[in-house]
Amino acid sequence: GQQVMQIPQYQHVQEGEDFTTYCNSSTTLSNIQWYKQRPGGHPVFLIQLVKSGEVKKQKRLTFQFGEAKKNSSLHITATQTTDVGTYFCAGPGSGYALNFGKGTSLLVTP
Amino acid sequence: GAGVSQTPSNKVTEKGKYVELRCDPISGHTALYWYRQSLGQGPEFLIYFQGTGAADDSGLPNDRFFAVRPEGSVSTLKIQRTERGDSAVYLCASSAQLGQNTEAFFGQGTRLTVV
Repeated sequence: GQQVMQIPQYQHVQEGEDFTTYCNSSTTLSNIQWYKQRPGGHPVFLIQLVKSGEVKKQKRLTFQFGEAKKNSSLHITATQTTDVGTYFCAGPGSGYALNFGKGTSLLVTP
Repeated sequence: GAGVSQTPSNKVTEKGKYVELRCDPISGHTALYWYRQSLGQGPEFLIYFQGTGAADDSGLPNDRFFAVRPEGSVSTLKIQRTERGDSAVYLCASSAQLGQNTEAFFGQGTRLTVV
């Protein structure tokens, strides 16, 4: 599978601040998915990006896929305590499996 | 059921023992995946099924690991001669069909601890 690297590993913000996590691959990705995992929970699908330069928004979350399809980002505007969790990007892996990054853990303090 | 169900939620076993982990996917989902997640890591692919057949088992770490899905619904992950390094959360996911552009629905996982 194609390795995806995520940065930062951890991020601690005050409630109301913005947050961004980045996902990078050395090879072109056919698509990328984003998942959120709450502490003690399981990964939950957020979105999939397929097209070069694609931008998708979900309320305060903005997802981007780079023009070269080698990187992606998730930006959260005005974080809330409900945003706490680990955010994973996942590119195509072996066959139809997903190849997950190590995730970015977000902590939001009120 | 409403979501992917995994049992047991927790399993503690002694080194060298055999364990079975069960996954009940969303009704009607033909694709079923097993992943393993260690602390501080992302899920790591093990195996996936399309219907009853294992379409790709390239992620299984060694021949102590085996999975079946005899009727195309429930799947069982089997681990023989467990080792302490097998301790992790084992996640099952299902999707409506096999494909790169499909959303995977994960279960809550089975936390396996080998002592």
